Amino acid sequence: AQSVTQLDSQVPVFEEAPVELRCNYSSSVSVYLFWYVQYPNQGLQLLLKYLSGSTLVESINGFEAEFNKSQTSFHLRKPSVHISDTAEYFCAVSASQGGSEKLVFGKGTKLTVNP
Amino acid sequence: SQTIHQWPATLVQPVGSPLSLECTVEGTSNPNLYWYRQAAGRGLQLLFYSVGIGQISSEVPQNLSASRPQDRQFILSSKKLLLSDSGFYLCAWSGYTEAFFGQGTRLTVV
Repeated sequence: AQSVTQLDSQVPVFEEAPVELRCNYSSSVSVYLFWYVQYPNQGLQLLLKYLSGSTLVESINGFEAEFNKSQTSFHLRKPSVHISDTAEYFCAVSASQGGSEKLVFGKGTKLTVNP
Repeated sequence: SQTIHQWPATLVQPVGSPLSLECTVEGTSNPNLYWYRQAAGRGLQLLFYSVGIGQISSEVPQNLSASRPQDRQFILSSKKLLLSDSGFYLCAWSGYTEAFFGQGTRLTVV
C-alpha cells in the first residue's frame, strides 16, 4: 500500500518570497504523484502531476515539483508567491501498476502568504 | 468533459437524524468513485471506494455507509448521525492519472 507524508502542517511566508512544501511517499510499486490545491470551502483542484518522463513538472501558475525516486520525494516549489496562493495543498500518490489505483492523500499543508 | 455534482453544499442536522449525501458524475462511464471526509487537522480521510455498481469498499469503521445504485451515482448515508460525523465531505472520481472532486458538503451535526 502507498502512503504520503507532508512534513509541514502550516507554512507562513511573506509575499514574493520563495516557498517549498515537502512531500514524501512510500510505495513498493511504481507510482504516480499529484499535488492538489484547496481554497476555502471548495473542493480540490489538480495543480500538477507526475506520471512519467521528465521528473520536473510545472503548473500554469508558477508552481513546480520534482520527482526524486531515490529520496521518495515530490516537493512543491514556487520562486515567488502571491497573496492569492494562500490555500491548503495536498500531495497524493497512486500506484501506476501492480497496486491499488486509489489515490492516497497526505494530511495537507496550509500555506499562508502574508503581505 | 467530465463533471461531478455533489449536494447539498451545507447541511445542519441534529444528532440521531439520518443522512443522505448524493454525488453524480457526467462525461465518463464506469468511474472509480470515492467519498472522503476532511476534518480540521486530519487531512483527507478516505471513507469509501467503489469500482462499480454495488461494489463498495469501506476504508475505516464508522457510523456511515455508501451505496452505488447506478454507474455514475454514489450516495453516502447514515441512519443516526453522531456529533463526530461533522466535517467536510468530498466526492471524487478517478482513473489512474487524475481525480476530480465535487465542491463538497459542509455537514454540521448539532
